[in-house]
Amino acid sequence: NAGVTQTPKFQVLKTGQSMTLQCAQDMNHEYMSWYRQDPGMGLRLIHYSVGAGITDQGEVPNGYNVSRSTTEDFPLRLLSAAPSQTSVYFCASSYSLTGTRNSPLHFGNGTRLTVT
Amino acid sequence: AQKVTQAQTEISVVEKEDVTLDCVYETRDTTYYLFWYKQPPSGELVFLIRRNSFDEQNEISGRYSWNFQKSTSSFNFTITASQVVDSAVYFCALSEVGGGADGLTFGKGTHLIIQP
Repeated sequence: NAGVTQTPKFQVLKTGQSMTLQCAQDMNHEYMSWYRQDPGMGLRLIHYSVGAGITDQGEVPNGYNVSRSTTEDFPLRLLSAAPSQTSVYFCASSYSLTGTRNSPLHFGNGTRLTVT
Repeated sequence: AQKVTQAQTEISVVEKEDVTLDCVYETRDTTYYLFWYKQPPSGELVFLIRRNSFDEQNEISGRYSWNFQKSTSSFNFTITASQVVDSAVYFCALSEVGGGADGLTFGKGTHLIIQP
């Protein structure tokens, strides 16, 4: 099992550029989510999905789009990157959005994004 | 709204000392879940424990123990006989069940440094 796979690991963008952060899981999890981690801020929820075709906003959704066409994939799109989006992004999946005792929220290894 | 406070930004102790990481939470729900995650210097997020609001029993796992007290809204984490490998950022997190699929609310993290 690969678990949750995020690509790329590192990315540098210029202001105004667009890009997609990829996230794939091979555990047949219904729930997937994106978090961003900023120094001194912990992790904050951007968007989440409770199943294919269903997405919703989290705490900090502005500037990001998501879609969930398959159970396995949950890409995060930045339409016009801004320096404020410089962060480390984590994708997570689970059988339930908050995990169960035997199936916690599985996190990918993160994508470090810098917007100049 | 739910909130998690980790008042200790950074803790530094000498190896073999015991150390407690504090976590205080706020929620209006009667049913909720509390978590601890470890983020070592390599950056990945490692699940440590999930506890529901109806289970106030303390839990011990090797050198790790957790003290859940609903009366003080706290879910503290103690490492006994600390080791250098315990050096990491530790996050406490909360999820409300009744609020729907809002994901986890993380504290800002405590950076634990274990000196040899």
